[in-house]
Formats: sequence, structure tokens, C-alpha cells
Amino acid sequence: AQSVTQLDSQVPVFEEAPVELRCNYSSSVSVYLFWYVQYPNQGLQLLLKYLSGSTLVKGINGFEAEFNKSQTSFHLRKPSVHISDTAEYFCAVTYTGGFKTIFGAGTRLFVKA
Amino acid sequence: GAVVSQHPSRVICKSGTSVKIECRSLDFQATTMFWYRQFPKKSLMLMATSNEGSKATYEQGVEKDKFLINHASLTLSTLTVTSAHPEDSSFYICSASSGGGAKDTQYFGPGTRLTVL
Repeated sequence: AQSVTQLDSQVPVFEEAPVELRCNYSSSVSVYLFWYVQYPNQGLQLLLKYLSGSTLVKGINGFEAEFNKSQTSFHLRKPSVHISDTAEYFCAVTYTGGFKTIFGAGTRLFVKA
Repeated sequence: GAVVSQHPSRVICKSGTSVKIECRSLDFQATTMFWYRQFPKKSLMLMATSNEGSKATYEQGVEKDKFLINHASLTLSTLTVTSAHPEDSSFYICSASSGGGAKDTQYFGPGTRLTVL
């Protein structure tokens, strides 16, 4: 079965420190990959997406992610986080040829002063 | 950017009543809209996919007679929770896509918090 695994449910980090949020997916076919951010009581906002081409994808708010096909991973990184980055982050996968997007369980990023 | 609104943002209703949630794409035409349900501290679960002018496609385990979806125009989809019960309490989120294909970006609404007493 197709699935998305976000290995960390919570990631506490100090302000201005780097952070990596991990995402792995199961797949035997090509995929499109997404990272979304959700602030409290709000919908999801697209951070970045990988469709094809360069495996390093840059998104909004200084985030970037790297697609690693051999490891079926799409980890999200930011070199220096801010308090305002505190939110829930979701990794999502859509399998090419399909329409259904599968979401990971989410990672709560908590940035401390 | 593309904006999707949902109304209401919060609703509290009595058990046995029906509740309608609207999802609108404000500045683009949404060929496809998706309805998700999100449980506390959990991920989004796709309930159904709707294309304008056709019947919604429901995911396995989602009761189509309980969760009625109508996608009457390219900017509006509605989800009606019929005969709501406390276990239907959840955060319902819609998304809209101008293409509906696998690589097309979904734009999410802010969600509707449903509480059934």
C-alpha cells in the first residue's frame, strides 16, 4: 500500500538553529512530492513541490527540500528557523497517473526563543 | 495567489441535524475540489473528490449518503453532513485545483470546525 511516513511527530528547536523534517514514502512508480505548512486552525499552505528536474527544491519562507529517489525520501530543511515557523508540517505524495494525494501524519515544529 | 474560502469557519449543531459547509475558489476556476477530514493531531484523510458537474468520487469507508457533496459550479462545492452525530465532530478542509491532475497544486481552504453535541 502507498504510504507517507514522517519520522518525527515533534521537533523542538531553538531559534536561529537549523532544522530538518524527515519524510519517506513508499513507491514503485514515479511520484510528485509536496510539503505543506499548517498554522493553528488554518488550512494548509504549499511550501514547495517536486515535479521533475533538479532534486533540490526551494520554497517559500527559506525552506528547501531534496528529493532522493534511491532512498525514497523528501526531507525538508531550513538553515535558520524563526519563532514564526512554529507550525505543523505535512509531507504529501501524489502518484503519477493518479489524482489522490496521500499525506503524512505531520511533524510539529516548535521553535523556542 | 489562489484563494479558497470556507464557510462557516466554526459550527456547533445538535445531534441529528444536518450541516452544510461551503468551499469557494475566489480567484480561479476549480475543475476539481477535494474534501478532507482531519482528526486531532492526525493527518488529513481524503473523503472525496468532486469534479464540476459530475458525481463525487468517495474514498473507501466514507458514507456517500451521510456526506453529500455537490460541485455545482467551477467556484463552489458544498459538503453536507446529514444527521450529524458526535463522532462526526472534526475539522473539515477543502482544497481546490484548477487542473485536478497529479501534479496540479491544491489550494486549501482554512477549514471548518464542526462540533456535534
